[in-house]
Amino acid sequence: DIQMTQSPSSLSASVGDRVTITCRASETISDHLNWYQVKPGRAPKLLIYGASFLHSGAPSRFSGSASGTDFTLTINSLLPDDFATYYCQQTFSGNSFGQGTKLEIK
Amino acid sequence: QLQLQESGPGLVKPSGTLSLTCTVSGGSMSSSDWWTWVRLTPGKGLEWIGQVFPRGTTDYNPSLRTRVSMSVNHSKNQISLTLTSVTAADTAVYYCARTFMEPTGNNWSDTWGQGTLVTVSS
Repeated sequence: DIQMTQSPSSLSASVGDRVTITCRASETISDHLNWYQVKPGRAPKLLIYGASFLHSGAPSRFSGSASGTDFTLTINSLLPDDFATYYCQQTFSGNSFGQGTKLEIK
Repeated sequence: QLQLQESGPGLVKPSGTLSLTCTVSGGSMSSSDWWTWVRLTPGKGLEWIGQVFPRGTTDYNPSLRTRVSMSVNHSKNQISLTLTSVTAADTAVYYCARTFMEPTGNNWSDTWGQGTLVTVSS
């Protein structure tokens, strides 16, 4: 099974900050990596698919990149609406999520 | 705009069966749409439960395969999830989602329901 190691598990930041969240795959997954935002009581939102493609419904301050088995989600100029939990998902072999990163207001 | 809504009992007894329905509105279910169930638990985060493909083919999480089943009812615009022999570990918020599948095999869920909390308790 492919393991996705997501870090950090939690992160404190301020409005206007730039933050990065990383997922490392235990083996190659090509670009089969997606990022989601999850808030309590709300429908999860797709942000990035295929490692680096911005979903049409996601703000442009979100971006994704890849280097080998390391994948990064970057959020530029944090807004209050961005404080949530973020998950990566691999779909290369089976389907699994990282452990999540809770982004909190500092 | 396509909308998904999960529904079903919020409380299930241990060893019982969890049955949920996802109703699609605001559009029709395309014959090429795939449908996914995911759950969120405080301790484990998001967990992929499985997918039901066009024409009813299914793919399940190996850890749940012996207890889970999914199906699509195009005439009712509904997707169903059944999970048998539930325990407290199955307590979670359950989401359904529409999933797009690329020819490469990469797939992503672009439309989700708000989720429904299911508690397993006597």
